[in-house]
Formats: sequence, structure tokens, C-alpha cells
Amino acid sequence: DSGVTQTPKHLITATGQRVTLRCSPRSGDLSVYWYQQSLDQGLQFLIQYYNGEERAKGNILERFSAQQFPDLHSELNLSSLELGDSALYFCASSVGTAGVSGELFFGEGSRLTVL
Amino acid sequence: AQSVAQPEDQVNVAEGNPLTVKCTYSVSGNPYLFWYVQYPNRGLQFLLKYITGDNLVKGSYGFEAEFNKSQTSFHLKKPSALVSDSALYFCAVRDFNTDKLIFGTGTRLQVFP
Repeated sequence: DSGVTQTPKHLITATGQRVTLRCSPRSGDLSVYWYQQSLDQGLQFLIQYYNGEERAKGNILERFSAQQFPDLHSELNLSSLELGDSALYFCASSVGTAGVSGELFFGEGSRLTVL
Repeated sequence: AQSVAQPEDQVNVAEGNPLTVKCTYSVSGNPYLFWYVQYPNRGLQFLLKYITGDNLVKGSYGFEAEFNKSQTSFHLKKPSALVSDSALYFCAVRDFNTDKLIFGTGTRLQVFP
């Protein structure tokens, strides 16, 4: 158990809909990262937050947004969903931007299926 | 920009034989390198990392990796493969400008009995 909790584990929805994925980082971790894993594109970095502030942005679509709350949990919002958004969405956490160890701890993922 | 490459989509090995999963990197400066494993329908699990020091890094489940600066490689190895090692393996490099990890495309390891 990595200590990172993601909900929901599975989600099935229709095109055009909006969903919210939630992540609770490990206790004490200030950084949260979101990754998308699809069959044909591997693990793509979406966005990172550090202590409530956006730290880095990757290949995140404009239809997607995220935030990190004062209690450090994070939410990834996906709107106007398309079939191609079907993927496994991972949240990861780490101590911080200058963590000596550097490894990320991953949740079990939220599998999104858009029909 | 930092990147890693995993040249093999799949590696097949017989149980009991040594295994190697390859990774090469491209970074400016000294790299921070990682290996993760993903079992079916699970999240990524950290195996080992190279930050500095000894070029041979030992990790979880009997895995080790050898950092080779001249060849810009960080291959994952295990002396004797188990069927339970069958999984998807990712090499990653840390982006120094942020803190994110940049992952390779993954290598599926299949260990046959």
C-alpha cells in the first residue's frame, strides 16, 4: 500500500459528460502529480501541484483542470469527455519539489471509460 | 530536455534465467534515474533509484540496476527470474526543473515456467 488513495476506482460515463477524480496523497507529502496512462501513449504527465500551487503542466487538455486543496488532497476535473479520454488516471505524491529521494508514490488509479 | 528510452516493448525469459530490461537516458547534468513496476490493474510500484554513488543499485524483490555513464544506460537486472516477475516495467528520469518523473514507454516482461 503506497498510502496514496484515489477514488473512484472505476468510472463509466458518456461522451460530453464531466467527471471528477479525487486523490489523497501520503501523509506529509506536499506534491501531487497526475498522470494519464492509455494503451497507445504510455504514461503521460498531466499536471503537478505543490502545497496548493500549480508547479508544472504537461500534456493536459484545456478541457481538463485540477486543483489542490488546503488539506492537500487534489481533484482532476475532466469535462466534455470524448471517447479518447478513456484511460487510467494515476495520482502520485512525493515529499516536495526538493525531495532528496525523489521517488513518487502512486495510487491504484481511476479507470475512466467513456462510451 | 530529459528523456528515457526503453528499446524493447517486450522481453521474454525462462524462469530461473537472468533477465535484463534495458533503459537509456538523455539528460544534461547528472541524472536521477528510477525503475517502477506495474502489475495488472495496479498502480506503479517503486523498485529502485540511482542518485549518486555506487553504479550498481539494489532494489526490491531482488532487482538491481547498473548505471553506466559512458553508455548513458540504466538497465534493470535480476539474476534469476520468477514467473511472478511478469509485469510492465518503466524506467524514469527526474526532471530537475520541476520534480516530476518522465517515464519511458514501458517494457512488458514475460517470464515463462
